Amino acid sequence: GEDVEQSLFLSVREGDSSVINCTYTDSSSTYLYWYKQEPGAGLQLLTYIFSNMDMKQDQRLTVLLNKKDKHLSLRIADTQTGDSAIYFCAESVSGNTPLVFGKGTRLSVIA
Amino acid sequence: EAGVVQSPRYKIIEKKQPVAFWCNPISGHNTLYWYLQNLGQGPELLIRYENEEAVDDSQLPKDRFSAERLKGVDSTLKIQPAELGDSAVYLCASSFGTAPYEQYFGPGTRLTVT
Repeated sequence: GEDVEQSLFLSVREGDSSVINCTYTDSSSTYLYWYKQEPGAGLQLLTYIFSNMDMKQDQRLTVLLNKKDKHLSLRIADTQTGDSAIYFCAESVSGNTPLVFGKGTRLSVIA
Repeated sequence: EAGVVQSPRYKIIEKKQPVAFWCNPISGHNTLYWYLQNLGQGPELLIRYENEEAVDDSQLPKDRFSAERLKGVDSTLKIQPAELGDSAVYLCASSFGTAPYEQYFGPGTRLTVT
């Protein structure tokens, strides 16, 4: 079955880099996504990576995918207080199918 | 472009009462999802629509939950009767049916059953 695991908490200092990790079990996952959820809000799509890619960079965000180990990471460079939120990793087997989410990693940025 | 709209944002009801949530997806998005998010958890799918057809409702508790998507645009999710354990955030998302199938989420409806 599908399962997505994330560490629950991460605390970093403002200006440092944050790395949020995720592991998944379904080797047939085609797309992997990172979502951000701020308090009282819905989920905001940050970025995604297709399974045939190793890395994707988008401004301050870098996604690394190790398909062999089924490991996904999100690196946020120059972390700001506005980055404080819960970050969800999600997988999709064929893209247009329901997302399977992890429990989320709560990122706290210390000024 | 307007995002996914949901209403109400908050709802407090007593157990055994009915409740309904409404969702208006992004214009042109033919796929609509309802997710349930419990406190401290990631969202879990309840039902997925392709246009007006429910194509995945295996996780929907059909004894008390129902949903519809008339004309393939807006959707309503209903619970009748509500139970204490239904207290959660109900999220609606939509996507355009081509790769990479980005799903865009509404702000959610926070339901409290007392």
